[in-house]
Amino acid sequence: AQTVTQSQPEMSVQEAETVTLSCTYDTSENNYYLFWYKQPPSRQMILVIRQEAYKQQNATENRFSVNFQKAAKSFSLKISDSQLGDTAMYFCAFMKQSGTASKLTFGTGTRLQVTL
Amino acid sequence: KAGVTQTPRYLIKTRGQQVTLSCSPISGHRSVSWYQQTPGQGLQFLFEYFSETQRNKGNFPGRFSGRQFSNSRSEMNVSTLELGDSALYLCASSNPVAGGNTQYFGPGTRLTVL
Repeated sequence: AQTVTQSQPEMSVQEAETVTLSCTYDTSENNYYLFWYKQPPSRQMILVIRQEAYKQQNATENRFSVNFQKAAKSFSLKISDSQLGDTAMYFCAFMKQSGTASKLTFGTGTRLQVTL
Repeated sequence: KAGVTQTPRYLIKTRGQQVTLSCSPISGHRSVSWYQQTPGQGLQFLFEYFSETQRNKGNFPGRFSGRQFSNSRSEMNVSTLELGDSALYLCASSNPVAGGNTQYFGPGTRLTVL
């Protein structure tokens, strides 16, 4: 079974600053996907970024980038130029690569507060 | 494309009743997954449906069931409701046939059991 660990329950960052959220995972699989989702107070779960384990290049999406360390089973999210709208709960998630089934395993989340 | 929709958005039920939640996936998506979110247990996988077949099931009692229709719309049912079933129920759709494993979520149904 896979497990996902987010060791930072809460974090705070000032607007325009950079913040990094940590995520580690445990799996015996070699092929898998990793995701970061954000859940603002509206509770809508929104995809932030996705990483395929077979790709060595770290994924980036505008102000969001990841540091994927496969050997260390680490998958951190960096948010640059933080904005008030980034305030949300952030979840790291794991999915085994399979043609027959899709299932996300989530971490416990990190609550990020962006302040003025 | 329209996103994933879920109805109803809010529900209040009493213990012992049953409830049916509905999810309409993104057009073209054939996989629908359901998750339960609670403060105590976090996000937990319930089950996944693909082409009207349940492909994967989480560790929930048999009171939780689901189905998928030919148009990929999915419903989940919870019978004999318990107080602990109060949660946000999230549905997500994806298109694994086209190599798209990314799941896109609906706004959720907030179920309160009294």
